[in-house]
Amino acid sequence: GQNIDQPTEMTATEGAIVQINCTYQTSGFNGLFWYQQHAGEAPTFLSYNVLDGLEEKGRFSSFLSRSKGYSYLLLKELQMKDSASYLCAVKDSNYQLIWGAGTKLIIKP
Amino acid sequence: ETGVTQTPRHLVMGMTNKKSLKCEQHLGHNAMYWYKQSAKKPLELMFVYNFKEQTENNSVPSRFSPECPNSSHLFLHLHTLQPEDSALYLCASSRGQENQPQHFGDGTRLSIL
Repeated sequence: GQNIDQPTEMTATEGAIVQINCTYQTSGFNGLFWYQQHAGEAPTFLSYNVLDGLEEKGRFSSFLSRSKGYSYLLLKELQMKDSASYLCAVKDSNYQLIWGAGTKLIIKP
Repeated sequence: ETGVTQTPRHLVMGMTNKKSLKCEQHLGHNAMYWYKQSAKKPLELMFVYNFKEQTENNSVPSRFSPECPNSSHLFLHLHTLQPEDSALYLCASSRGQENQPQHFGDGTRLSIL
């Protein structure tokens, strides 16, 4: 079967750095997405990786290793507003999105 | 403002009621999606429409009936739902289905009594 694994919950301190990992086993690979979802709101697109390596976008970076079936989302200079759930999703060989259950990130002052 | 609007935001209904969820996108996208989001579970894809044609139906019970009259509007008609159908129902749209990100609405929080 197809599977996306990410930690259920993480806690970090304001101003610090946090890395949220995602491992996947899917039938084929056509890209990996990270989304942010604040409680009661829509998931919003953060990043897309299809080739190995690091994509940087401001305070957020996303890394992909296709050979290891692994990605991480790196958040720097954490702010209280970064408290949210972070969803990892992979497009399989049929271009269907397979979703992880999300990682709830709690930021403490 | 994501460009995808869902109504209502909250809905409480009995198991014998009939109601509809509405989604409208203002992004010029051609693909639209219905998802079910339950606590601590991955998003479950329910239906996909591409240029108004249904391309995916992920074994969804017939008590959920989608309708896509045009590329900007998507409905989910609900009839004789069960308590386990209580969840957040999210609508999304994208420009194509390949490597384009999906844009989500804020969802309808559905509670079945």
